[in-house]
Amino acid sequence: GESVGLHLPTLSVQEGDNSIINCAYSNSASDYFIWYKQESGKGPQFIIDIRSNMDKRQGQRVTVLLNKTVKHLSLQIAATQPGDSAVYFCAEKAGGGNKLTFGTGTQLKVEL
Amino acid sequence: DAGITQSPRHKVTETGTPVTLRCHQTENHRYMYWYRQDPGHGLRLIHYSYGVKDTDKGEVSDGYSVSRSKTEDFLLTLESATSSQTSVYFCAISDRIGTANTEAFFGQGTRLTVV
Repeated sequence: GESVGLHLPTLSVQEGDNSIINCAYSNSASDYFIWYKQESGKGPQFIIDIRSNMDKRQGQRVTVLLNKTVKHLSLQIAATQPGDSAVYFCAEKAGGGNKLTFGTGTQLKVEL
Repeated sequence: DAGITQSPRHKVTETGTPVTLRCHQTENHRYMYWYRQDPGHGLRLIHYSYGVKDTDKGEVSDGYSVSRSKTEDFLLTLESATSSQTSVYFCAISDRIGTANTEAFFGQGTRLTVV
């Protein structure tokens, strides 16, 4: 698999703590949002999504919050584990289209 | 990886040579995409396809062309490779994004180095 040495914002958390990763999006016409996780040497993998008619969605240990007023998206990971260490990307889809536009990503490091 | 195969996985090529990257899917998804990933830029869309012989440009399409003659294959060609095209390339597939269970799935990537 492949990855790049990205010069990314980094979030360091202790194992067991909650993590919050933030993302600002640019297009007010975006109607669908996804969080992806990219582990070293792999392609991005889907974590959770949310439509613009929602402001919160929960999955297993993850929650996505959407604030359309300020065009802000966040990913909350509960009880962060070492396996959560990765780069996290938010992606948005503009209404009417079928393309995803990605943010630059955040590196999450989980300290034991 | 949702039935997506990229080939080759690694390639080193010389400036000015043509290069073709292949993406093959076994999921029968309608849409296919090529992204490049570079430090500080995240993933940027090069080209995408919405059906056989139907393609469109993304935000960084200059210097790249694509072809889709079959549902399962999407080719990315660098007609004359430049050092600025050194990158990691990802193929993705999807159906209609935003409907139930239709996110985009990514391949493992191809590391291309142009020397």
